[in-house]
Amino acid sequence: QVQLVQSGAEVKKPGASVKVSCKASGYTFTSYGISWVRQAPGQGLEWMGWINTYNGNTNYAQKLQGRVTMTTDTSTSTAYMELRSLRSDDTAVYYCARPWAAAGKGAFDIWGQGTMVTVSS
Amino acid sequence: QSVLTQPPSASGTPGQRVTISCSGSSSNIGSNTVNWYQQLPGTAPKLLIYSDNQRPSGVPDRFSGSKSGTSASLAISGLQSEDEADYYCAAWHDRSVVFGGGTKVTVL
Repeated sequence: QVQLVQSGAEVKKPGASVKVSCKASGYTFTSYGISWVRQAPGQGLEWMGWINTYNGNTNYAQKLQGRVTMTTDTSTSTAYMELRSLRSDDTAVYYCARPWAAAGKGAFDIWGQGTMVTVSS
Repeated sequence: QSVLTQPPSASGTPGQRVTISCSGSSSNIGSNTVNWYQQLPGTAPKLLIYSDNQRPSGVPDRFSGSKSGTSASLAISGLQSEDEADYYCAAWHDRSVVFGGGTKVTVL
């Protein structure tokens, strides 16, 4: 079945970097982009950006420009999200999600299970 | 402060109809389609409504969406206990996706 499986929970110190993976299966990886969305504890959803898995083009949320990098490895159908210079307010569950282009922008039909990233000294 | 504005909470008894609003601007809802997500406790969001009023396969028809101008609404008719969850609206805005702050629906 179509699914996105993410890497496990991470605990990082302030100033460090984290790299979360998202492995796709059940569909042609390069036919759909991948977006990343995060959710701080008890808070709402925040879109982080998007990567075109076919050509590697990216579009990052302005707030995260300069600290986030999204990449893919098409040989393993895996997307990655790296966030640098971590702060306490980066503590959140990070989700990868598949945009459903036919449904319009902002429609994500498949989601990963989420990866908890905790930033603490 | 979210770009899209939702009430923080809504509630109803089983069988009732509950409506959640999502207010935006001409830069998002007014010029792009709206999507709605349901998030059950401890789980990833699930696409509930896309393109303002379309339901993905498998979503019960008691969930419906509508849009007028710069506002959108999600209605849940025949409220059930399993509908207790957080609901988020989302739309395209200036090269990014923006979400509402979320509405927690409680079944009394």
